[in-house]
Amino acid sequence: SYVLTQPPSVSVAPGQTARITCGGNNIGSKSVHWYQQKPGQAPVLVVYDDSDRPSGIPERFSGSNSGNTATLTISRVEAGDEADYYCQVWDSSSDQWAFGGGTKLTVL
Amino acid sequence: EVQLVESGGGLVQPGGSLRLSCVASGFTFSSYAMHWVRQAPGKGLEFVSAISSKGGSTYYANSVKGRFTISRDNSKNTLYLQMGSLRAEDMAVYYCASGTTGTTEGGYFDYWGQGTLVTVSS
Repeated sequence: SYVLTQPPSVSVAPGQTARITCGGNNIGSKSVHWYQQKPGQAPVLVVYDDSDRPSGIPERFSGSNSGNTATLTISRVEAGDEADYYCQVWDSSSDQWAFGGGTKLTVL
Repeated sequence: EVQLVESGGGLVQPGGSLRLSCVASGFTFSSYAMHWVRQAPGKGLEFVSAISSKGGSTYYANSVKGRFTISRDNSKNTLYLQMGSLRAEDMAVYYCASGTTGTTEGGYFDYWGQGTLVTVSS
């Protein structure tokens, strides 16, 4: 199965930029999607197809994907952005969706 | 407004069975693939199963293959997950999520329910 690797935690001060990475073998050839999950709540899609944003998601959320690493970037971080973030891809070789292990974003 | 409401979770003994349901509203349920994703306590998200819009194609995680069965009733806008031979490691919050196409391959999950908790314990 396809393995996605995320850092367990990322910390950033309010107003700064947070970058959360998602590593996978040749992940640049796949479409990467990102979900935000706050405590006790269901996941919410924040970026799809590497860099597109669903309606209602602030422009502060952006994504990129190249080579073996995809990145979710959150600009001008706010306290309300504190959450767990998960990357996801479709692995056609195993016919399954793969999720990264999740990254806890802490706003200092 | 899109809504996905799961039900059917609860306490079950190891080796037991349970059927989860997910009632959808606010979109054309019969046009989209649907998925089950679970999250064990304090852990990350894990794909469980998927079904195409008409029900003709299904996928399962290796961890549940042969024990779980996904199905849907488009006349009732309802998704199901029949779970059998339950193990301690199946204990989790189970979410249903809608896909963005009618097929099970690819895409992403644009709407999620609030989840239903399955506890496996004697």
